Amino acid sequence: QKEVEQNSGPLSVPEGAIASLNCTYSDRGSQSFFWYRQYSGKSPELIMFIYSNGDKEDGRFTAQLNKASQYVSLLIRDSQPSDSATYLCAVTPYGQNFVFGPGTRLSVLP
Amino acid sequence: EAQVTQNPRYLITVTGKKLTVTCSQNMNHEYMSWYRQDPGLGLRQIYYSMNVEVTDKGDVPEGYKVSRKEKRNFPLILESPSPNQTSLYFCASSYRVGSPLHFGNGTRLTVT
Repeated sequence: QKEVEQNSGPLSVPEGAIASLNCTYSDRGSQSFFWYRQYSGKSPELIMFIYSNGDKEDGRFTAQLNKASQYVSLLIRDSQPSDSATYLCAVTPYGQNFVFGPGTRLSVLP
Repeated sequence: EAQVTQNPRYLITVTGKKLTVTCSQNMNHEYMSWYRQDPGLGLRQIYYSMNVEVTDKGDVPEGYKVSRKEKRNFPLILESPSPNQTSLYFCASSYRVGSPLHFGNGTRLTVT
């Protein structure tokens, strides 16, 4: 059973702080890793994707992948109240189906 | 505009009345999938399709049917809806499995 786990929430951070979201996965053959943001009642929206070990930065967002330890994280710098949402981690073993984590709810407090 | 289009956005129906939720993408994507989302249960996959005429069961396929006769369309069929199928449904597509998924706007289904 391929599993993706995320840190249980809700996670609360003050405005302007760094929010750190973590995701671990069980399948060592996983090749592609995604972070989605989902506002309540809306569809998931792609934030970042990463395929290789290391860091990938896009604006205030940084995805970090460590395949040896089987985790992928998302850092949000200078957190804003508009970042308050549920963040979903998704993983795909090579050539196989997407597996989603349960999500972590983030609350950024003004 | 590249997008995944689901219809309808909202649907209220009665138990046992067959319904179809349509999903269409204009990005020439090979992979398409249906999910349902319920409070506290996250996204659960119903069916997926790696390509035309190829479909497979996801985690919660009971009570649902799909077809993939054309690359762009992937309808979700509920032959005899029941109240436990009341949920928020999402269609999604990607160029291929392993590429980023693009989601439709969702269909909120209520079965009474």
